[in-house]
Amino acid sequence: DAGVIQSPRHEVTEMGQEVTLRCKPISGHNSLFWYRQTMMRGLELLIYFNNNVPIDDSGMPEDRFSAKMPNASFSTLKIQPSEPRDSAVYFCASSPGLAGVMNTGELFFGEGSRLTVL
Amino acid sequence: SQQGEEDPQALSIQEGENATMNCSYKTSINNLQWYRQNSGRGLVHLILIRSNEREKHSGRLRVTLDTSKKSSSLLITASRAADTASYFCATDVLSGGYNKLIFGAGTRLAVHP
Repeated sequence: DAGVIQSPRHEVTEMGQEVTLRCKPISGHNSLFWYRQTMMRGLELLIYFNNNVPIDDSGMPEDRFSAKMPNASFSTLKIQPSEPRDSAVYFCASSPGLAGVMNTGELFFGEGSRLTVL
Repeated sequence: SQQGEEDPQALSIQEGENATMNCSYKTSINNLQWYRQNSGRGLVHLILIRSNEREKHSGRLRVTLDTSKKSSSLLITASRAADTASYFCATDVLSGGYNKLIFGAGTRLAVHP
């Protein structure tokens, strides 16, 4: 079975440009998570969805970041405008259970999208 | 500050030796999970231990949990070069009204042939 699929794997862009990262979760999973990984801050939870509905976006750093999940098989994380401090690896993960309202089970991670903002 | 902190930050051992990594956390947890990350790859789930469990095994992995000390350890026995990776503990905690999985900073393990 296919795992969590993220695209692009690598993105290099210039400051001020819009960046869109994409994620296809594992079919049948009810929860989807976006994490950001940097050397300085480690893995940070940005936002998660249950059944396509955003539950907790308290980790989204600022209004430049937005995330959507229009259907059960697709989610996007958008940064507009991008800044050099947004450079990081962005991970999408999915889980069979309902996040937030019950104990968090195993997360299945994608391979990540490495973003470099010049 | 992060919920979970791993110790040591880096560990270098020879093949065949055992590797022990520790994780300390600050608040009550629902469960604690360990993940592995190979360089340039995504995280892979290794094992989950619930707050009412004290020890769990999976193959060459042994995880312990001491809720009174708010700590956990991951033991990899008979290590192999292929075990070289970063290992993260993640605590499932109630924060802001929701359960969340919060990751520590990780331990970088190098196993030399």
